[in-house]
Amino acid sequence: EPEVTQTPSHQVTQMGQEVILRCVPISNHLYFYWYRQILGQKVEFLVSFYNNEISEKSEIFDDQFSVERPDGSNFTLKIRSTKLEDSAMYFCASSVRGHTDTQYFGPGTRLTVL
Amino acid sequence: SQQGEEDPQALSIQEGENATMNCSYKTSINNLQWYRQNSGRGLVHLILIRSNEREKHSGRLRVTLDTSKKSSSLLITASRAADTASYFCATSPGGNEKLTFGTGTRLTIIP
Repeated sequence: EPEVTQTPSHQVTQMGQEVILRCVPISNHLYFYWYRQILGQKVEFLVSFYNNEISEKSEIFDDQFSVERPDGSNFTLKIRSTKLEDSAMYFCASSVRGHTDTQYFGPGTRLTVL
Repeated sequence: SQQGEEDPQALSIQEGENATMNCSYKTSINNLQWYRQNSGRGLVHLILIRSNEREKHSGRLRVTLDTSKKSSSLLITASRAADTASYFCATSPGGNEKLTFGTGTRLTIIP
């Protein structure tokens, strides 16, 4: 069964450093998402992406964050200058038809900012 | 309560018993989805119920949706130790791409 994959599974970085989290969505899906979950808290929406542009973003997704689909398979989340409070589990998700459809989640990347 | 609020926050039952979790939400929705998360792991999709559906089944799972009460329930029948996890409801408000997650119910199945 096709699944969303994410790399790395765990990323440790120093405060102020740039990180890129990578995702490979399910191949026939057209809508892509990033969510995050701070330890012990709710899963929070960051951004949705369709047709090579951001379709929706949350207040969390400020200028420090960017997303890109550099080729036909990868979907990346970049954090330009990490802060301690960016430490969280980051989940990528994808769906076929957007908001009317199931979103399938990857296993997550645990980001630790020191 | 917040959009996508589960109840109870924690539930412990004996293996073989049924487990029922509830979710309430505030705004109108396109659909409501239930996910399972094992400790520190990814989110596994369980079931999606659309706003025009009232009940849906998948294996040992039964989901109901009452849009007049803005609530949903997830029933797991004949529970197993492997069902131990956190369960989240997530709503998709009309026209929005994002899913809004609840705080989750932590289910523990006692062997």
